[in-house]
Amino acid sequence: GAVVSQHPSRVICKSGTSVKIECRSLDFQATTMFWYRQFPKKSLMLMATSNEGSKATYEQGVEKDKFLINHASLTLSTLTVTSAHPEDSSFYICSATDGRYYGYTFGSGTRLTVV
Amino acid sequence: KNEVEQSPQNLTAQEGEFITINCSYSVGISALHWLQQHPGGGIVSLFMLSSGKKKHGRLIATINIQEKHSSLHITASHPRDSAVYICAVRSEATSGTYKYIFGTGTRLKVLA
Repeated sequence: GAVVSQHPSRVICKSGTSVKIECRSLDFQATTMFWYRQFPKKSLMLMATSNEGSKATYEQGVEKDKFLINHASLTLSTLTVTSAHPEDSSFYICSATDGRYYGYTFGSGTRLTVV
Repeated sequence: KNEVEQSPQNLTAQEGEFITINCSYSVGISALHWLQQHPGGGIVSLFMLSSGKKKHGRLIATINIQEKHSSLHITASHPRDSAVYICAVRSEATSGTYKYIFGTGTRLKVLA
């Protein structure tokens, strides 16, 4: 149990376009989802925490208008990178929890390349 | 100084060796996780600890809350254990929810 599906796994887009990444909990209700970013050979960086039905809480330094997070249901959260630039190229990964336990499940990640 | 420090940063071992990866943290935590990240980027949660010791197969994780230190041990290491191992601590976030702080990871390579 506790499977999180993340799509797409890889995406290449042109500068100036927007990209949407989906994170779905397949067999549990994800009351809280987290979005992370990872630069090459660096650790994961928490971008934001989203609770179902409410606005996401962004970490310091993360642009809310650039990285739009929606958590409209208990099984789906989306991250939209708006007006993407090459510096947004990175590995993005989500994780989810049902809130009852301290554990959480990671998605498989999305490698975004902006050209 | 990072709030979560891991050592070593890189480790090369011969197949069969006993491996230890260390994690020290400076913040108050309610849980500590050990994660394994494969070359393709996928992440697997290995352990979640709040005290004591846990064992799963060839993997053992320990935590000392007083010393703010945790170790991940791999017995009888195998080339398929080659991955990046990440220590992550769960602490209270400013919004009242919790958040995770990640170590920079230990890149392990096990040679056949």
